[in-house]
Amino acid sequence: DIVMTQSPDSLAVSLGERATINCKSSQSVLYSSNNKNYLAWYQQKPGQPPKLLIYWASTRESGVPDRFSGSGSGTDFTLTISSLQAEDVAVYYCQQYYSTPLYSFGQGTKLEIK
Amino acid sequence: EVQLVESGGGLVQPGGSLRLSCAASGFTVSSNYMSWVRQAPGKGLEWVSVIYSGGSTYYADSVKGRFTISRDNSKNTLYLQMNSLRAEDTAVYYCARASVRLGELLDYWGQGTLVTVSS
Repeated sequence: DIVMTQSPDSLAVSLGERATINCKSSQSVLYSSNNKNYLAWYQQKPGQPPKLLIYWASTRESGVPDRFSGSGSGTDFTLTISSLQAEDVAVYYCQQYYSTPLYSFGQGTKLEIK
Repeated sequence: EVQLVESGGGLVQPGGSLRLSCAASGFTVSSNYMSWVRQAPGKGLEWVSVIYSGGSTYYADSVKGRFTISRDNSKNTLYLQMNSLRAEDTAVYYCARASVRLGELLDYWGQGTLVTVSS
C-alpha cells in the first residue's frame, strides 16, 4: 500500500504571506505511460466535505483561485498558497489515486492564521 | 449539476447493522465508479469501498467481510450495507464519484452522514 506523509501537521501563516504544505508518497505515483502524477490536493473546512483543489499534481480545479498551486513529481509534492486569505483556514489533504482502488490520503495539515 | 446526498446514518449499538444511501443527480451512477470514504471524529480521511461501472467491488481491509457496497440503477443510488459494526466504525461517511476520465480521481463528494456506534 502507498503511504502518504504530509508535513507539517499544522502551520500558522500571516495574512498575505505564503503557505507551503509538503506531501511525500512511499512510492512513485508517476504513471510512465502518460507522464501524469496521480496526486490530488483537497481542502476541508469544519463541517464540510473535502473540496478538490488540485489534480494531476498541478492542475487547478475549475473555480479554484490561482493563489493555489501544486508542484512536484514522483514521490515529493507541494501545495502552495501564494498569499494567504482568511477563507483559506482549513485542513489540507493530499491523496494518491495511482494505486486505485486502494486510495490513500495524507494525515492532513491544519492551516491557521498567525 | 452533479449532486450527491447521503442518508441513513444514526446511532447503532456495537454488533448492529445500518444501511447508508447516496442519491445521485446530474450523472448516472451505473456508468461511473463510486466510492465511500469515511472520517472518524477529529481524524483524517479513510477510503472504505468502491464499486466499478462493471460491478466489481473492493474494500479496505478494515471493513472487508462486514460492509457491502451496491447500487440501484433505477434509483440512481449508491448504498453501503454495514454489518457487525464496531466502535471504531464511528465516522462521517461520504460518498464520492471517481472520475474515470481523470484517472479515478474523487472529484465530487456528498455532504456526509454520521454513523455513531455506541452502547
